[in-house]
Amino acid sequence: AQKITQTQPGMFVQEKEAVTLDCTYDTSDQSYGLFWYKQPSSGEMIFLIYQGSYDEQNATEGRYSLNFQKARKSANLVISASQLGDSAMYFCAMREGDSGYSTLTFGKGTMLLVSP
Amino acid sequence: DSGVTQTPKHLITATGQRVTLRCSPRSGDLSVYWYQQSLDQGLQFLIQYYNGEERAKGNILERFSAQQFPDLHSELNLSSLELGDSALYFCASSVEARNLETQYFGPGTRLLVL
Repeated sequence: AQKITQTQPGMFVQEKEAVTLDCTYDTSDQSYGLFWYKQPSSGEMIFLIYQGSYDEQNATEGRYSLNFQKARKSANLVISASQLGDSAMYFCAMREGDSGYSTLTFGKGTMLLVSP
Repeated sequence: DSGVTQTPKHLITATGQRVTLRCSPRSGDLSVYWYQQSLDQGLQFLIQYYNGEERAKGNILERFSAQQFPDLHSELNLSSLELGDSALYFCASSVEARNLETQYFGPGTRLLVL
């Protein structure tokens, strides 16, 4: 089974609107971390936001917030007030923390296009 | 800018050749990770080093090897290159080697094998 699922291959949003990028995950660990990365067309991977499984509050970083619903195993990224520069691929990733070493596992990504 | 540097940015070579990709982690980071991003396989973990020692191996081919030097920079060596090795290779770093640490990625090296 896939550990990270991003069901939206692409999303369109108008500038200044909010957008939610979906991510569901699969793990039996109690301790895990969820990460979102942005990859613009230039190729670099930019870390956006982190949510730990034991964090009680949803993570926020500027215009980015993570809508963490543990029971549903979802970790959706919300971008408020979209900007043209937000057009990029967005990857959700997870790393499990309970037993031994684990690797950072990525979803297939969602391409976000922001239009003027 | 994540603070992780990778050289070269682009590399074009022929099948059967060998190349070396270089990575310098963020100042203070002891752990270095290598990833391969290709269209068909997505982002895949290759190998991790922590303070000079190999920590974990992922889907790394036997034709590929890596090392981390005393100054903490790392090199990924790819040999007997095949067309399918064309990909974007990322290096990432973190302070320690704990599972839930954030990894910061470099800009990547885009490798094209002709």
